[in-house]
Amino acid sequence: SQKIEQNSEALNIQEGKTATLTCNYTNYSPAYLQWYRQDPGRGPVFLLLIRENEKEKRKERLKVTFDTTLKQSLFHITASQPADSATYLCALGKSGGYNKLIFGAGTRLAVHP
Amino acid sequence: DTGVSQDPRHKITKRGQNVTFRCDPISEHNRLYWYRQTLGQGPEFLTYFQNEAQLEKSRLLSDRFSAERPKGSFSTLEIQRTEQGDSAMYLCASSSNAQGDNEQFFGPGTRLTVL
Repeated sequence: SQKIEQNSEALNIQEGKTATLTCNYTNYSPAYLQWYRQDPGRGPVFLLLIRENEKEKRKERLKVTFDTTLKQSLFHITASQPADSATYLCALGKSGGYNKLIFGAGTRLAVHP
Repeated sequence: DTGVSQDPRHKITKRGQNVTFRCDPISEHNRLYWYRQTLGQGPEFLTYFQNEAQLEKSRLLSDRFSAERPKGSFSTLEIQRTEQGDSAMYLCASSSNAQGDNEQFFGPGTRLTVL
């Protein structure tokens, strides 16, 4: 069955450092991958989309890579700030559909001053 | 606020009761999704509407669950004869039809507690 794995343990880093979150998947061939941020008690908020034919995407301090051979996406936040502390979810989707997303369990990031 | 809204934000009910949640998507979005999220997990897809048509239902959506989007605008999710296992956050999301891989805009969710 389809499986998406994200770092199950919280990631603790110092302010100013780069946070790197991992999303691995098996038994799935996504056409695209999306990353969302979720704060406690709130709905997810879209951050970035990367398609299967793209290797890397950047948006301000965020960078996403997508390796369909390794079946892995890496999500980087550079110059991290305490305000970046949240849970980050990766979500996979297939082409030809209506954007039904399969989510990972998320990784909690804590950025310490 | 022109985002996705959900009502109520919290619902506490006793086992066996029926509950109904409402979602108002972003007005120009014709795609609407319901997800369920339990603690420590990501959202799980429940069902999808394009305009008023319900095009897919997850196996997670048992016979006790029903969703509607009567005029292609707001949607309701009803759970009949609630069970303790139904306790979760119910999230609604909407997206436009412009691209298949469009970002989804999520509402704040309705947290259901079944006692």
